[in-house]
Amino acid sequence: AQSVTQLGSHVSVSEGALVLLRCNYSSSVPPYLFWYVQYPNQGLQLLLKYTTGATLVKGINGFEAEFKKSETSFHLTKPSAHMSDAAEYFCAVISYNQGGKLIFGQGTELSVKP
Amino acid sequence: DTAVSQTPKYLVTQMGNDKSIKCEQNLGHDTMYWYKQDSKKFLKIMFSYNNKELIINETVPNRFSPKSPDKAHLNLHINSLELGDSAVYFCASSHNADTQYFGPGTRLTVL
Repeated sequence: AQSVTQLGSHVSVSEGALVLLRCNYSSSVPPYLFWYVQYPNQGLQLLLKYTTGATLVKGINGFEAEFKKSETSFHLTKPSAHMSDAAEYFCAVISYNQGGKLIFGQGTELSVKP
Repeated sequence: DTAVSQTPKYLVTQMGNDKSIKCEQNLGHDTMYWYKQDSKKFLKIMFSYNNKELIINETVPNRFSPKSPDKAHLNLHINSLELGDSAVYFCASSHNADTQYFGPGTRLTVL
């Protein structure tokens, strides 16, 4: 069975500082991995995804993530945090042998201090 | 030109009532999903339909019944609402089980 673990339910950074949100996955097949962002009282918006090919994936709003098979990780980074980045971030893996459902991590709330 | 829309956005109702949440997508996708987000923000799949056919039915009480009248719509009907049904319900759609696009959510509060 596939699973996703996000380390740290809450991360706080200063504006302009590096953002690092951690995600580890478990999958018996090559995973398709996603990061979604949820702003308060809104739906989920796709930040980026990894399917195959280049392991460094660039997304919207300056975010990027690197797929590391040896570490079973897909950490999300952004060089310089902005106040508008404050939100809930979800890492997910798609389970193709279970009808294509997304399996989500627990979520990480990012706070950005001025 | 909203891609995935849900109605209503907020739903407040009494225990024991029956309610429906509607979802529509205009992306031409063939697969639609319902997810539940609990009070701790944990997201879990409930149902999935592909071309109007049910393909995922997680361990959900049979008080919950999805209905897909066509590929662009997936509605969720809930009978005999309970306090524990209070949550945010998200509809999503995808093409060939690829990237899923989510609606804005429906916050259900059962009193």
